[in-house]
Amino acid sequence: DVKVTQSSRYLVKRTGEKVFLECVQDMDHENMFWYRQDPGLGLRLIYFSYDVKMKEKGDIPEGYSVSREKKERFSLILESASTNQTSMYLCASSKGFFDQPQHFGDGTRLSIL
Amino acid sequence: SQQGEEDPQALSIQEGENATMNCSYKTSINNLQWYRQNSGRGLVHLILIRSNEREKHSGRLRVTLDTSKKSSSLLITASRAADTASYFCATDGGSFQKLVFGTGTRLLVSP
Repeated sequence: DVKVTQSSRYLVKRTGEKVFLECVQDMDHENMFWYRQDPGLGLRLIYFSYDVKMKEKGDIPEGYSVSREKKERFSLILESASTNQTSMYLCASSKGFFDQPQHFGDGTRLSIL
Repeated sequence: SQQGEEDPQALSIQEGENATMNCSYKTSINNLQWYRQNSGRGLVHLILIRSNEREKHSGRLRVTLDTSKKSSSLLITASRAADTASYFCATDGGSFQKLVFGTGTRLLVSP
């Protein structure tokens, strides 16, 4: 089974801090994604990557950046955390083209105080 | 941008009953996927149906796709308490670039 591991299930940070969310997948998938999930808004794509060192903006990239230095690892960075970035963050990976299933981690519930 | 819209937003049934959830979308698609999310967990892929398919089965799941109406339905037969979860449809918007998820249907199956 594909395993996508997110480094933290729960995280509490303060406004203005630089926050790193880490995601690792063990199935050699080319594509990796970061979403945020908010009540009533569903999942919204922040960034995705289709290869090492490659990244593409999703629907809501503002205030975020990403890093993919190795194929198995995709990091989401909140450059200066703000309270409106309090959310559930979900990482996913998929193999090949985008008509393949995405495999999700269990999420990181991030609170910015 | 939100492509898929699930209906109903919430559904409450008894064990053994069937549950039907619907998804409508706006633009042409190459495929449509259904996912399940248990409370506080990540999404789990259930089934993918391509635009040239009309129906697909997987165990107790049956998915239909009507591209002329831009809609899909997910039927769970003989529901169990363990089916309690949120269910999301996701479409590719015809671009092969990314999936766009709906806001989900919350299903509660009572023993």
